[in-house]
Amino acid sequence: DVHLLESGGGLVQPGGSLRLSCAASGFTLSIYGMSWVRQAPGKGLEWVSTIRGSGSSTNYADSVKGRFTISRDTSKNTLYLQMSSLRAEDTALYYCAKFYYVTETIAPFDYWGQGTLVTVSS
Amino acid sequence: EIVLTQSPGTLSLSPGEGATLSCRASQNVYNSYLAWYQQKPGQAPSLLIYGASSRATGIPDRFSGSGSGTDFTLTISTLAPEDSAVYYCQQYGSSPCTFGQGTKVEIK
Repeated sequence: DVHLLESGGGLVQPGGSLRLSCAASGFTLSIYGMSWVRQAPGKGLEWVSTIRGSGSSTNYADSVKGRFTISRDTSKNTLYLQMSSLRAEDTALYYCAKFYYVTETIAPFDYWGQGTLVTVSS
Repeated sequence: EIVLTQSPGTLSLSPGEGATLSCRASQNVYNSYLAWYQQKPGQAPSLLIYGASSRATGIPDRFSGSGSGTDFTLTISTLAPEDSAVYYCQQYGSSPCTFGQGTKVEIK
């Protein structure tokens, strides 16, 4: 069974940093691409970042480019999102999500974690 | 960036009725790379439809998708109480992938 478990969220001051983790099981990160998607309280879904299964490329939303870094450790089958220079508008529930199929472009997301809450506030 | 506009904002229907949800894109969606998700309160989204009309694994056939170009539709043929949720469309044919703002389906 596929399972995704996020961790690392919490309360952080504006300008601070945080690293989110997503432990994956039931499939291999080195094959399937992964994304981070966030949802501000009471709002809709916003794609944040993607890393391809090959690890060859990453993409970021303009709203986080230069501040967030997506990476993975295939030996631990774990995805990460390093977030820095955090702003109030980054407050959201952050989900990791798995590509439905293997592709070097982007795919819809068939498995999602339950999310980890990031709150940016002084 | 492709903007997706969903309508209506809220649908209030009775069990057994049919529901039609619309998703309109600001530009053509490449290769009809359009997906639909269902999100129930307190839960993560779940994939219903991909490629505009293909049902994801395990999705009942009362859910169907159609459309191409800029206009897409999710149809729920016979509403069940458990279909109460917010439904999002997503285009993944152009970078960045984008989501619509959601349609809330309420079951009376």
